[in-house]
Amino acid sequence: NAGVTQTPKFRILKIGQSMTLQCTQDMNHNYMYWYRQDPGMGLKLIYYSVGAGITDKGEVPNGYNVSRSTTEDFPLRLELAAPSQTSVYFCASSSQTGKLNYGYTFGSGTRLTVV
Amino acid sequence: LAKTTQPISMDSYEGQEVNITCSHNNIATNDYITWYQQFPSQGPRFIIQGYKTKVTNEVASLFIPADRKSSTLSLPRVSLSDTAVYYCLVGGAGSYQLTFGKGTKLSVIP
Repeated sequence: NAGVTQTPKFRILKIGQSMTLQCTQDMNHNYMYWYRQDPGMGLKLIYYSVGAGITDKGEVPNGYNVSRSTTEDFPLRLELAAPSQTSVYFCASSSQTGKLNYGYTFGSGTRLTVV
Repeated sequence: LAKTTQPISMDSYEGQEVNITCSHNNIATNDYITWYQQFPSQGPRFIIQGYKTKVTNEVASLFIPADRKSSTLSLPRVSLSDTAVYYCLVGGAGSYQLTFGKGTKLSVIP
């Protein structure tokens, strides 16, 4: 049972470069999320998806894009990387049954440095 | 979304019971309370979730008073491996924009 898998684990980008952070879950969860966590801070929601083909902005979406073509995959695209995007990125998924949104399962994170 | 307030940090000796209280004065009727644990360089891990009264699992207990304006996460007999940041979140059905604040950094001392 792999849960939520993120790749890569580490990446250094130069300013202006682009990259895609991959996220896959094997729990058939309908909800998926991308968070970023700056040092010593809490997690901020970038984008989320409630199902394949449906995505929406979170608290800090600028500079990022997402897509959800399948239930399993939720890649995060960074266009024109900037030093302010240096952070640890976490992907998460959750299921919802009736009125209860069950706990999130997080991936192990991608540590991104933009220089 | 209900705002939560919890202590920035706490220290405890090994073997002691630790209680971390979270305030959520504007909790809505259909909101649940969920706690997560995060170790350095890892993603948060779900610990426990509750709606009212008391919930207990193999890791922790969650106490929620009748007015539900606060909740207390109780960790029995902590060990060094319980050193982590603990987050309190409040949200209801369809809460897919949960906010993780700075959490409470628990340091367990030998």
